[in-house]
Amino acid sequence: SQQGEEDPQALSIQEGENATMNCSYKTSINNLQWYRQNSGRGLVHLILIRSNEREKHSGRLRVTLDTSKKSSSLLITASRAADTASYFCATETMYSGGGADGLTFGKGTHLIIQP
Amino acid sequence: NAGVTQTPKFQVLKTGQSMTLQCAQDMNHEYMSWYRQDPGMGLRLIHYSVGAGITDQGEVPNGYNVSRSTTEDFPLRLLSAAPSQTSVYFCASSFSGTYGYTFGSGTRLTVV
Repeated sequence: SQQGEEDPQALSIQEGENATMNCSYKTSINNLQWYRQNSGRGLVHLILIRSNEREKHSGRLRVTLDTSKKSSSLLITASRAADTASYFCATETMYSGGGADGLTFGKGTHLIIQP
Repeated sequence: NAGVTQTPKFQVLKTGQSMTLQCAQDMNHEYMSWYRQDPGMGLRLIHYSVGAGITDQGEVPNGYNVSRSTTEDFPLRLLSAAPSQTSVYFCASSFSGTYGYTFGSGTRLTVV
C-alpha cells in the first residue's frame, strides 16, 4: 500500500508566490525524500531529510520533518513557471544490519505555476 | 556519465508474451530498484537489490522476475504479459540508503 499521502493533490498558484505541499506517512522511517516529475519524464531527486533532522534547505526548497506526527512539508519559495511539475514524497526504511527496502511513494501533488 | 539507462523507451506486447526491460547504471551504485507508475497511483516498488547477487520483492512483485549478476545491470523480466501490466516502468539506483536515487527516463509498456 502507499506509504505517503501528499496534500493537496493539486495546487495552482501565481508565479512568485510560495508553494507548500504536505506529506504524511504510516510507518517508521530512516529518511524521507522529495522528487519532482515533469510530464512524461523521469523523477528528479530534490532533497533528502533524515529521521533525526527537523529541517533542511536547498536553494529555494525548504523541507521539514515531524516524526512524531509522521509528516513532512516541502516549501518552494518564489515559484517560477519552470516549477510546474508533480512532486512526490518517498520514504525509505533501513535494516538494522544494513541495506534498505527501496522507496515507498505517495500519489503526488500536481503543482501549476501561473505566469 | 550516462546515469541510469533504460531500454526500450516504448514497447507493445501481446498478452502472454515475455520480455526483458533493461536497466544499466554507470555510477557504481549498490542499490537498484524497479517501480511501476500507473495514473493516479504514484510509483509502486516491484523489486529491489542492495548489491550484486541480492534481490528482494517489493510491493507488487507478481508477474515479474529480476536478477543482479553485476553491479551495473538490473533487468526486469515479464514472464507472461497481461493487460494489467500496462504501465510506465522506472528503474532507479542509489549509492546507499542515505542518498537520493537517480531515476531512468522510463519504459512505457502497453500490453494488448
